[in-house]
Amino acid sequence: GENVEQHPSTLSVQEGDSAVIKCTYSDSASNYFPWYKQELGKRPQLIIDIRSNVGEKKDQRIAVTLNKTAKHFSLHITETQPEDSAVYFCAAEGGSNYKLTFGKGTLLTVNP
Amino acid sequence: DAGITQSPRHKVTETGTPVTLRCHQTENHRYMYWYRQDPGHGLRLIHYSYGVKDTDKGEVSDGYSVSRSKTEDFLLTLESATSSQTSVYFCAIRSDYGLGQETQYFGPGTRLLVL
Repeated sequence: GENVEQHPSTLSVQEGDSAVIKCTYSDSASNYFPWYKQELGKRPQLIIDIRSNVGEKKDQRIAVTLNKTAKHFSLHITETQPEDSAVYFCAAEGGSNYKLTFGKGTLLTVNP
Repeated sequence: DAGITQSPRHKVTETGTPVTLRCHQTENHRYMYWYRQDPGHGLRLIHYSYGVKDTDKGEVSDGYSVSRSKTEDFLLTLESATSSQTSVYFCAIRSDYGLGQETQYFGPGTRLLVL
């Protein structure tokens, strides 16, 4: 089955700096890659996603890049703010029934 | 939030008792999923459903069963709860609005403590 590795597990940045979280996946058939943000005690919330026919996607301060050849994708957050502090999960979808396989998460802390 | 609710939101139970968690959706999506979330493990798929009475196992299905008798409800049962099943359980639906916008949305979660 699919395996998703996510790094780093923790990331601390100063407000205004950029943050990058990287994920690799194993199944070359995977074709959809969402990113979720989870605040303490809350549900995971989709923040951005990318499909395999696209190399990069941006939404304001957030961007995701995908390299299908290398089987990795990354989340980029620019001009970080304290409210960006949360756990971020990457995931890969492939195979039948649209199952998602998640990375283990990155705890991002943005220091004021 | 794609009209997803979970009940109960919190539950404390004793080892060996059966427990049923309910996921309810209001938008008639075909696909529904149950995950558990534990520190250091992220979100792991327990079971999923691709239609009424159509279910299959995920990566951590031992000790769990599911049922889907109506499109809107997906039930997760812990047949005989163990302390290792103490976790936060999330239900998710896969939106099928079309036009390449399909994705998974999560319910609010159920915190289960097995003593």
